[in-house]
Amino acid sequence: QAALTQPPSASGSPGQSVTISCTGTSSDVGTYNYVSWYQQHPGKAPKLIIYEVSKRPSGVPDRFSGSKSANTASLTVSGLQGEDEADYYCSSYGGSNNVVFGGGTKLTVL
Amino acid sequence: EVQLLESGGGLVQPGGSLRLSCAASGFTSSNYVMTWVRQAPGKGLEWVSGISTSGTTTSYADSVKGRFTFSRDNSKNTLYLEVKSLRAEDTAIYYCARRLSDSRGAFDIWGPGTTVTVSS
Repeated sequence: QAALTQPPSASGSPGQSVTISCTGTSSDVGTYNYVSWYQQHPGKAPKLIIYEVSKRPSGVPDRFSGSKSANTASLTVSGLQGEDEADYYCSSYGGSNNVVFGGGTKLTVL
Repeated sequence: EVQLLESGGGLVQPGGSLRLSCAASGFTSSNYVMTWVRQAPGKGLEWVSGISTSGTTTSYADSVKGRFTFSRDNSKNTLYLEVKSLRAEDTAIYYCARRLSDSRGAFDIWGPGTTVTVSS
């Protein structure tokens, strides 16, 4: 199964908002509302920040929000802070107990 | 504290084998679908395999199918990934992760990872 498509990089100044896209197909993102987003700081394990398109696990700030339209999901980070600088990965359930990840987006806080 | 801890990684020659382990603590792992995700050096995340709560159902990425075997021992709260016929492209950090209950494809608890290096 092909990886989901994410832009390799994104950036924004502190306080601004940035949106990262994640494009799949009708076999994954377009069919299932099981899109997740992960934040990964260098040398650390990924951290779940969004699941089921727009739900936030306990403890994740509401500055992080998710949405989906057709085959494309999006993660928006509002009120950018320095600690948000990290790699962000989307994933989607792809049927038959398989999961597919995106290639990752490096978010830089200017 | 809910934790996962992987072990068993190392340096192995092409064609070799390893058994990776994932020890769960702070929760009853038998209640959760579990998964392995890997990350090659400087690259993105790649889903590798998943296993049902009972261990009777497993799924694999095409890239590892037939070479990797995911199993679990619920009595020991431990999961295993047997990796065989290793190739250079299998070099990666291997993460064990817990799937969020009642949600497909969302992994809420991750271990720190164990590194597998395939090289002669």
